[in-house]
Amino acid sequence: GEDVEQSLFLSVREGDSSVINCTYTDSSSTYLYWYKQEPGAGLQLLTYIFSNMDMKQDQRLTVLLNKKDKHLSLRIADTQTGDSAIYFCAEDQAGTALIFGKGTTLSVSS
Amino acid sequence: DAGVIQSPRHEVTEMGQEVTLRCKPISGHNSLFWYRQTMMRGLELLIYFNNNVPIDDSGMPEDRFSAKMPNASFSTLKIQPSEPRDSAVYFCASTGTSGYEQYFGPGTRLTVT
Repeated sequence: GEDVEQSLFLSVREGDSSVINCTYTDSSSTYLYWYKQEPGAGLQLLTYIFSNMDMKQDQRLTVLLNKKDKHLSLRIADTQTGDSAIYFCAEDQAGTALIFGKGTTLSVSS
Repeated sequence: DAGVIQSPRHEVTEMGQEVTLRCKPISGHNSLFWYRQTMMRGLELLIYFNNNVPIDDSGMPEDRFSAKMPNASFSTLKIQPSEPRDSAVYFCASTGTSGYEQYFGPGTRLTVT
């Protein structure tokens, strides 16, 4: 079955880069996603990548996809205290339902 | 657009009581998802609907859980009877015909004592 794995915690200093890693198992996923959850709120789509791409850049965010190893990463450049949140990796299942990882809590210290 | 609306935002109830969670998806969206989030199990998909029809309910934990979508603008998730282990945050999400972005509601925090 599908399973998405992420490390649970990451701590960085303000201004550094953050890299959050994820591994997934369903090679038929069409899109892979990064969602952000701030305290007390629902998840919000941060960025996504189509499965036939290996990189996508969106301002401070860079997504890298290694389809051979089923590895996805999210790099946040110049991390700010406002980036502190839980970040979820997700893959789609049959193009509709999403399978989420357990989330990586990013803590940014000033 | 108001986004996905969920009610109530918080619910505290006693074990054995019936609990009904409500969701209004974004107007025009044709798929609706119910998720449960706990520290131990993370975010789990419970059930999803496409055009008001349940497509996959394999994530519904037990017969105590049921979900309905009587029309395109309303869905309920009911737990009867509730148990302490049902305590979690329940999220509703919807997506349109583009299919790829799910919009989440703010969640309902359920506490069963």
